[in-house]
Amino acid sequence: SQQGEEDPQALSIQEGENATMNCSYKTSINNLQWYRQNSGRGLVHLILIRSNEREKHSGRLRVTLDTSKKSSSLLITASRAADTASYFCATASGGYNKLIFGAGTRLAVHP
Amino acid sequence: GAVVSQHPSWVICKSGTSVKIECRSLDFQATTMFWYRQFPKQSLMLMATSNEGSKATYEQGVEKDKFLINHASLTLSTLTVTSAHPEDSSFYICSARPDSPGLSGANVLTFGAGSRLTVL
Repeated sequence: SQQGEEDPQALSIQEGENATMNCSYKTSINNLQWYRQNSGRGLVHLILIRSNEREKHSGRLRVTLDTSKKSSSLLITASRAADTASYFCATASGGYNKLIFGAGTRLAVHP
Repeated sequence: GAVVSQHPSWVICKSGTSVKIECRSLDFQATTMFWYRQFPKQSLMLMATSNEGSKATYEQGVEKDKFLINHASLTLSTLTVTSAHPEDSSFYICSARPDSPGLSGANVLTFGAGSRLTVL
């Protein structure tokens, strides 16, 4: 099952610009995470935000969480060509804290 | 850092044969592992939660007799696609949750690089 939607589905920007991706989910969560996937590869964890947190930063990444709207956003500042990848949000819930992934945003950063 | 090895990275098989994919945590123990399936340009769909020493928990709509999961030890889980058919062709990804999470926290999973299955 998928948790929700991400938008945009695809995003194309120039190097140096900021990239914003949004994620919505349906059920109550313990935490929300963002992962990155290069084409045909596994996923790399980027950042985790707990349900009682509203904003978190890690390097060029900024994540917000609005539990009342069941939504989150990921901002990548000063993007680089190497940021080109698919980005997925994932929500953790239940006893096993299993991760359910959103649809993903394919980001292309052009030099 | 935590590393998960997934093998094979790609496999081609004939229709009707069975294929086994291994997911191994190299430098940590993981009582719980997860198996996902991903179609091209789509998201990851959780197939099942694998627990060492007990039966796997399958998500709704996933055939447990079709996708056999065995979590034989604290570092190894296997997914066997039985009697594979072309519609089983997909990218299968495993992930593991460290039993001793350290600084990253218990909620962060480490993913394998994935296994691409093509059934002819």
